[in-house]
Amino acid sequence: DQQVKQNSPSLSVQEGRISILNCDYTNSMFDYFLWYKKYPAEGPTFLISISSIKDKNEDGRFTVFLNKSAKHLSLHIVPSQPGDSAVYFCAASAPSGAGSYQLTFGKGTKLSVIP
Amino acid sequence: DTEVTQTPKHLVMGMTNKKSLKCEQHMGHRAMYWYKQKAKKPPELMFVYSYEKLSINESVPSRFSPECPNSSLLNLHLHALQPEDSALYLCASSPRQGQGVTQYFGPGTRLLVL
Repeated sequence: DQQVKQNSPSLSVQEGRISILNCDYTNSMFDYFLWYKKYPAEGPTFLISISSIKDKNEDGRFTVFLNKSAKHLSLHIVPSQPGDSAVYFCAASAPSGAGSYQLTFGKGTKLSVIP
Repeated sequence: DTEVTQTPKHLVMGMTNKKSLKCEQHMGHRAMYWYKQKAKKPPELMFVYSYEKLSINESVPSRFSPECPNSSLLNLHLHALQPEDSALYLCASSPRQGQGVTQYFGPGTRLLVL
């Protein structure tokens, strides 16, 4: 059962416009959410995170919104740049017993920003 | 500085070989992780070390053997692997295990088992 879902495998956006990447989750124990960006054959790079007690976090061109009642979060990139073209993974953290926490990843959304 | 380094970058090994992957961080993080990622799939957790002790083993076959010699180093020893073990192996670290903690990933080791 997939606890973190990114239902759009791909997204194309014109340079300068807004990119909106979506993520849904089912586990109400998730209390911290992260977005990672990944280029081919490289490790994921941390972008931005949000705690479950907040509904918005902003860092430069990147803003993450969290709607706990809908179990939905989204990443907004404004303005989109060609260098933003990558796969974006949504991840969520929950306790897994004995003080441990685990990250659960979505399947990723491939963003293509067209010049 | 949020750098996690991994060596080697690429590795090709036969099914009878023994090899090791190495991961290093100098951020003072006390939790380190091994993930496996297949093409077009999300990373899958393999092992977690917290304060140099193995805290999570996600039912990984014994042909993968993790080791944490000190708080900065994490190794993954490989022996008698199968072709289906070919994947990108990612190391990550975080300040600690706990709520609201961000994991930082290394560039990965691309492993091919022949």
